[in-house]
Amino acid sequence: EVQLVESGRGLVQPGGSLRLSCAASGFMFSSYWMHWVRQAPGKGLVWVSRINIDGSSTNYADSVKGRFTISRDNAKNTLYLQMNSLRAEDTAVYYCARVPPGYSSGLYYFDYWGQGSLVTVSS
Amino acid sequence: DIQMTQSPSTLSASVGDRVAITCRASQSINSWLAWYQQRPGKAPKLLIYKASSLESGVSSRFSGSGSGTEFTLTISSLQPDDFATYYCQHSRAFGQGTKVEIK
Repeated sequence: EVQLVESGRGLVQPGGSLRLSCAASGFMFSSYWMHWVRQAPGKGLVWVSRINIDGSSTNYADSVKGRFTISRDNAKNTLYLQMNSLRAEDTAVYYCARVPPGYSSGLYYFDYWGQGSLVTVSS
Repeated sequence: DIQMTQSPSTLSASVGDRVAITCRASQSINSWLAWYQQRPGKAPKLLIYKASSLESGVSSRFSGSGSGTEFTLTISSLQPDDFATYYCQHSRAFGQGTKVEIK
């Protein structure tokens, strides 16, 4: 069974940092592109970042570029999102999501999602 | 960047109704569209990919159609579990969501 389990949720002050993790199981993690998507309270889904299968290629939404870093450890079957210089507007539930094989570069969708990890940025 | 626009934002319906949600792209995306269902407090669930392909395990009550810039998600006979919010997606662009609520 495919599972994506996020951890690292929490309350952080503006300007602070937090790292989210997404532990994958039930599939060959190293063969899949992975993404982060977030959802502010009561709002819609917003794409955040993506990483290719070996971590050599990453992309970010303009709103987080230069502050967030996506990475992965294929030996540990884990995806990460390092979030620095956090702002109130980064408050959201963060989901990791898997792209099915054959859909990697510009055209993709998500076949499995994690349960979400709430990040609250507030003083 | 491609923008995705859904309508309506909210849809009130009864159990057994046939409902349709529209998603429009700001430029042609061929058939590269997915639909998700999200229940409160839960992660999105994939329903439809490539505009009309039903994800494995998803009820056949759900169907998708369209190509180019206009797409439709249809629920043939609304069931209690179907009251949720639905999102369309083209790669990094999501629609704003359509909430299906009980009339």
